[in-house]
This record gives sequence, C-alpha cells and structure tokens, in this order.
Amino acid sequence: KNEVEQSPQNLTAQEGEFITINCSYSVGISALHWLQQHPGGGIVSLFMLSSGKKKHGRLIATINIQEKHSSLHITASHPRDSAVYICAVRSNFGNEKLTFGTGTRLTIIP
Amino acid sequence: GAGVSQSPRYKVAKRGQDVALRCDPISGHVSLFWYQQALGQGPEFLTYFQNEAQLDKSGLPSDRFFAERPEGSVSTLKIQRTQQEDSAVYLCASSSYRVTEAFFGQGTRLTVV
Repeated sequence: KNEVEQSPQNLTAQEGEFITINCSYSVGISALHWLQQHPGGGIVSLFMLSSGKKKHGRLIATINIQEKHSSLHITASHPRDSAVYICAVRSNFGNEKLTFGTGTRLTIIP
Repeated sequence: GAGVSQSPRYKVAKRGQDVALRCDPISGHVSLFWYQQALGQGPEFLTYFQNEAQLDKSGLPSDRFFAERPEGSVSTLKIQRTQQEDSAVYLCASSSYRVTEAFFGQGTRLTVV
C-alpha cells in the first residue's frame, strides 16, 4: 500500500462543475502539499497545509489530521484548470523529503 | 531568474552514455531536492541537500547515480552508463528551510535510447 493514495485517478467534468480530489495518507506528517502539474512537467505549489483549511481564489484545500485525509476543491471549474493534481506529504520524523501520490488527471470540458 | 531553473530541458542519451543534469535553485534557498518522475507516476525522492551537505541519498536507485552541490547553490545530478529504465523526468525543488513551501523547476526529460 502506498503511503499516499489519491482518488480519483482520472476525472472529467463539464466547465462550471464543483471538483473534489481526495488524498489519504498513512504516516504522521508535518505538512501536506497540493501541487499542480501541467503537460511539459512543471510543478506549481498550490497549498501547504498542516491543519484546517486554506483558500486561494477558486481553490480550497482542507485537511483532517485525525483521519489522515485531505481534499482539494475547485469551484466553478474552467478548462484552464485541466492538469494533474498531486498530493505530497512531509513526514514528521525530521526527514525533509516529500512523498507523492500518483496524481489525479483532471480534464474540464468546455 | 526568480524561480528554480533546470537544464537541459530535454536530453536524449544513448544507452551507456553519461549525463549531467543541472539545477539552479532560488537564491538563498538552503534545501535542495532531486526527484525522479516516471511516465504516469508521481515523483519519487532521489536525494536531499542542506546547503552543501548531502543529508539523504536513500532514493538514489543505484551507484550509477551521483549528486553534488559543492558550494551550497547549484546542484548537478550525474547518471553514469545510462540505461533505458533511467528514462524519466528529473525534477529539482528548493525551499528556504524545514517545513516550508517547495518550489519546483520545469524538470529535465531524459530519454535513453
């Protein structure tokens, strides 16, 4: 079992729909990151969370430490949101490295 | 530039050739990470530097992989005697210190033929 599991693996939705991507992890963490990766490889950091909820524009990220679960929501989705969304965690054992999920490929159809 | 810069963006190597991939982190960033991303997969950790010290190299898949950051700034990932299974995108990330946001480069796509 991977330390970081994401669902769904693929998601296709119509423009304007509310999108939810889920991330579950099995280790104690000091932080959880949501990242966006467009074709061509570049990764952009969207959020870094250690508790609660963060909002940036149409993006909302929540985390439940007790349940070891995080969600990324996109409101009023747009075709330009089409990308791979990756959840990554940093463990709380002092190791600096990130452990990544395999990503969720989101396609928003106009 | 203001971001993490990697070069080259694309590299095609013949099997058995040595390659060197470069990462210029954000100026002043203490932490530097190398990750390997196979097609359709999430990135996998290779190695981590804090300044010039390589604190963790547990993810390097074999002794053909070597990374250095001699002056605590630019880092080079070297792969000797490349194999087809080395084909991947190699990502570099830097951050200012522990538990802070990581900034990623565009990656180097290595294809071994």
